[in-house]
Amino acid sequence: EAGVTQSPTHLIKTRGQQATLRCSPISGHTSVYWYQQALGLGLQFLLWYDEGEERNRGNFPPRFSGRQFPNYSSELNVNALELEDSALYLCASSLAREGTDTQYFGPGTRLTVL
Amino acid sequence: AQSVTQLGSHVSVSEGALVLLRCNYSSSVPPYLFWYVQYPNQGLQLLLKYTSAATLVKGINGFEAEFKKSETSFHLTKPSAHMSDAAEYFCAVSDGGYNKLIFGAGTRLAVHP
Repeated sequence: EAGVTQSPTHLIKTRGQQATLRCSPISGHTSVYWYQQALGLGLQFLLWYDEGEERNRGNFPPRFSGRQFPNYSSELNVNALELEDSALYLCASSLAREGTDTQYFGPGTRLTVL
Repeated sequence: AQSVTQLGSHVSVSEGALVLLRCNYSSSVPPYLFWYVQYPNQGLQLLLKYTSAATLVKGINGFEAEFKKSETSFHLTKPSAHMSDAAEYFCAVSDGGYNKLIFGAGTRLAVHP
């Protein structure tokens, strides 16, 4: 069974541009989560999508947004990129909406903002 | 609000020695606790999960963790370290209905010959 996949592996942008990151969950999983792992800041929760709806978001500005498609894949968009957005962005999926369900992580997209 | 503290940002052990990585949590509700491992330039891999079924949880690669409510701890152990265990380890608590994982700062494990 395929795990969580993310694309692209690496993304290089300049300040002010927009970045789009993609995630495909494990087959059968309906919930998708996004986390940011920035140097010195640890792993921070960004967004949770389930059944096409945004269910929860972390303490990030509105220029971080996303969506979930009918096939449960998800997209994270970061507008007006700033240098501090440089980080590893991890996507995870879980089987259902239960908070206790295990989240399985993808390999991440490394975003570099120059 | 839930939180996680991992004591020791770096731990170094000899190959074959006991591995002990410490995690303390704070939670207003019965916690669901996780240990994940991250190898260089990779995502997170689940090692084990505590869901209140048993206080001693066995995971992959010979790791286990014991839930101690009185000490609010969930320390990760492995009897004998292997070179391939060198990685960063994260303890996390589930934030219940909000479905987010709250992670500790991580502990980088080095294993030397």
